[in-house]
Amino acid sequence: EDQVTQSPEALRLQEGESSSLNCSYTVSGLRGLFWYRQDPGKGPEFLFTLYSAGEEKEKERLKATLTKKESFLHITAPKPEDSATYLCAVDTGRRALTFGSGTRLQVQP
Amino acid sequence: SQTIHQWPATLVQPVGSPLSLECTVEGTSNPNLYWYRQAAGRGLQLLFYSVGIGQISSEVPQNLSASRPQDRQFILSSKKLLLSDSGFYLCAWSVQVLFDSSYEQYFGPGTRLTVT
Repeated sequence: EDQVTQSPEALRLQEGESSSLNCSYTVSGLRGLFWYRQDPGKGPEFLFTLYSAGEEKEKERLKATLTKKESFLHITAPKPEDSATYLCAVDTGRRALTFGSGTRLQVQP
Repeated sequence: SQTIHQWPATLVQPVGSPLSLECTVEGTSNPNLYWYRQAAGRGLQLLFYSVGIGQISSEVPQNLSASRPQDRQFILSSKKLLLSDSGFYLCAWSVQVLFDSSYEQYFGPGTRLTVT
């Protein structure tokens, strides 16, 4: 059974304090790993897709990396507007995603 | 550009009442469509997905059903709601970025359902 585990469950940072979120996965065959941002009461917003180990993608203060067992979402010098829940999901060829339970990030000014 | 709509945005229904949630996608043809449910503090659970009109795959046996009467319309229904059906319902569509690659999924704004 495909499993996705995200850690930590919650993270509180000071503005400018860089950190990383972790997504570890156990799947039969990874076709893609996704990161989403979700604000309270809204649908997830697509951030990145990573396809193979060693791949990296960046968007503003966010950088996602992928290894054979896990992915990291690095947040550099975060701002309060980066506060949200970050979701990780995997595609194993079933055309549907398996999601982790998310990391709630709070960035304080 | 593609847009996905869901309605209603919020819904409060008594136990035992019927349910109909609608999702439509604009700006694309023959999309894969999905229904997910997100319970408080938990991840997204896939309920149904569809690769074409009238083609529905169910991931979790329950009292919910889905239908796809038109190419860009996806409907989630129930004949009798349970308390456990409360949650945040999300519709999504996907496109294959590269041949034989993963399908990137994009989500709608969601419907907050409270069963009382």
